[in-house]
Amino acid sequence: DAGVIQSPRHEVTEMGQEVTLRCKPISGHDYLFWYRQTMMRGLELLIYFNNNVPIDDSGMPEDRFSAKMPNASFSTLKIQPSEPRDSAVYFCASSRGGTGANNEQFFGPGTRLTVL
Amino acid sequence: GDSVTQMEGPVTLSEEAFLTINCTYTATGYPSLFWYVQYPGEGLQLLLKATKADDKGSNKGFEATYRKETTSFHLEKGSVQVSDSAVYFCALRSGQAGTALIFGKGTTLSVSS
Repeated sequence: DAGVIQSPRHEVTEMGQEVTLRCKPISGHDYLFWYRQTMMRGLELLIYFNNNVPIDDSGMPEDRFSAKMPNASFSTLKIQPSEPRDSAVYFCASSRGGTGANNEQFFGPGTRLTVL
Repeated sequence: GDSVTQMEGPVTLSEEAFLTINCTYTATGYPSLFWYVQYPGEGLQLLLKATKADDKGSNKGFEATYRKETTSFHLEKGSVQVSDSAVYFCALRSGQAGTALIFGKGTTLSVSS
């Protein structure tokens, strides 16, 4: 398996522009997570999906952020309009469901977003 | 709410030195505990895990023991290598299946030869 795939790996944009980050989870995984990593706040959960349905979006910072999962193999995280404080590395992760800790989360390589 | 606290870095060691990175947690119920490692420019990789009290997770010479009485999960390695230089994250997941991880802030380890 290719692992979790994220695109683009790097994105530089200007304040006010729309940014779309993409994620392809590992085939067969029914949970998908979006995290944001910054120096100040570390790794934070933004939102997660189960079977394509958003379960917890309490970490989404504000209405400028939105996430969708139209099917089991694709998810997007959109920021509109973007602001300099959105600059961070955004990680997507996926896992199988089920009880116990054997449902390991596998992380993608991340998208480094810079908003000028 | 649940939280993870780990020692701040950076930690700078010479090759073959002993490593300890402290991690304590606050959680209701019986969480599962994890250590993840992030090499430069890469995503996080699971290093080891423990699912119940007194479990010891181990991998690649690293070890951590789930201590319920002290709510700790300290990471140790007897002899570090230059290739161990990375950022290490302690994390927990609550007892519910499939819920997200809660991470500590991360500890940067730098090993010199």
